[in-house]
This record gives sequence, C-alpha cells and structure tokens, in this order.
Amino acid sequence: GAVVSQHPSWVICKSGTSVKIECRSLDFQATTMFWYRQFPKQSLMLMATSNEGSKATYEQGVEKDKFLINHASLTLSTLTVTSAHPEDSSFYICSGRTGETEAFFGQGTRLTVV
Amino acid sequence: GQNIDQPTEMTATEGAIVQINCTYQTSGFNGLFWYQQHAGEAPTFLSYNVLDGLEEKGRFSSFLSRSKGYSYLLLKELQMKDSASYLCAVMDSNYQLIWGAGTKLIIKP
Repeated sequence: GAVVSQHPSWVICKSGTSVKIECRSLDFQATTMFWYRQFPKQSLMLMATSNEGSKATYEQGVEKDKFLINHASLTLSTLTVTSAHPEDSSFYICSGRTGETEAFFGQGTRLTVV
Repeated sequence: GQNIDQPTEMTATEGAIVQINCTYQTSGFNGLFWYQQHAGEAPTFLSYNVLDGLEEKGRFSSFLSRSKGYSYLLLKELQMKDSASYLCAVMDSNYQLIWGAGTKLIIKP
C-alpha cells in the first residue's frame, strides 16, 4: 500500500514550547490529510481535516489556534502544537487519502510534555 | 447521531477462529473499513467493504450487510501476533471516517 512518513516518532518537550509534527505521502498525492489524537486505551479522535491549499476544518472542541495545521502541498502536511501543556501529551497520527480511497496512516508521534 | 459499536475485548486461542462484530448507524454510507492496531503503533489497513457480502484476504475475511448495518471481521488460524486492537470505521455521506472504539483481541497459547 501507499506510504505516509510521519516524524518525529516521539518527542519530549517542555511545557510552553511548540512542537511540529510532519507527515509526508511518499508515493501518492494526499489531497486530504486527517490528523488524529489517541489517548491511552481509547479510539482515534479526529482533530481536523485538511485539503491541500485550503484551511483545515477542525472538529468541535479542538482549538485551531493551538493546533496549527498546514497542508501546503499534496505530499506534506504539518501539525504544530503551540504552547504545549502536559494535557496535550498524547499519540498523534496523520492519515492521507487520495479521493475516496482508504486512508493510509503515518507511524504516529508520541508527544510527552513535561 | 452517528454510532459504531464493537465489543471492547475478546479472547481466543492460538490456532482457532474468532469473529469480531461491528454494528453502525451513520448518516450515509460509503464503505466500511477494518484496521489492525498494535499497542503504541498506528493502525494498518486490513479490509474495505462497500457491497454486501464476504471479502476474503488470506487468513482475514470481512463481511458486510448494509441493510442490517452490520459487519464482522473473521480471523482464522489465529497466531500470537494477531493480538492487537481491531478498529471498525465507516465512511459517511461526507466521506468522513467514523471510528468505533476498537476491540482488543487477546490470543492465548
């Protein structure tokens, strides 16, 4: 299947700093990119959906000024967690899709805010 | 509202067969997906059903009945490495994925 490369795979940052997570679709053009958050023992929770060249659509309860999403090209999307706090510690996963096909997931990023 | 139901946890024996059920109520339907997720890792794609019936892929099969809002994932010849969470997800009329909470499958020797 298609490959989505996500990095870093894990990051530890200090409270109040910002962290950027990158997702690249290596062998397909991701017209749509989804960003998920997953807390331990819970299901994936969709944070936002972005289409290339457009502003991201955020799910209810997700602060768009805190979780900045950029989808400037068909192969790259980034999620920046600004002013991170310990409660932002989670597993963040991106997923890319072309048209109405199945979504291909990145490897995930485990963020720990101390 | 939109809802996906699947059992929280199941236990099976190595070499046996297990069926994981998923029922759904969504606004529109554009396909049902099954994903496997090992602890601490991202989900990996297993199957996609959009028409009624059984899709077989090696040891894994997935069944769909759109009229009943029902699907199952069938795993045969279970191996210890099949211990994982299995996520059911439905694509609604807006082509958004609605996720179930996942079924944790425990395989015992």
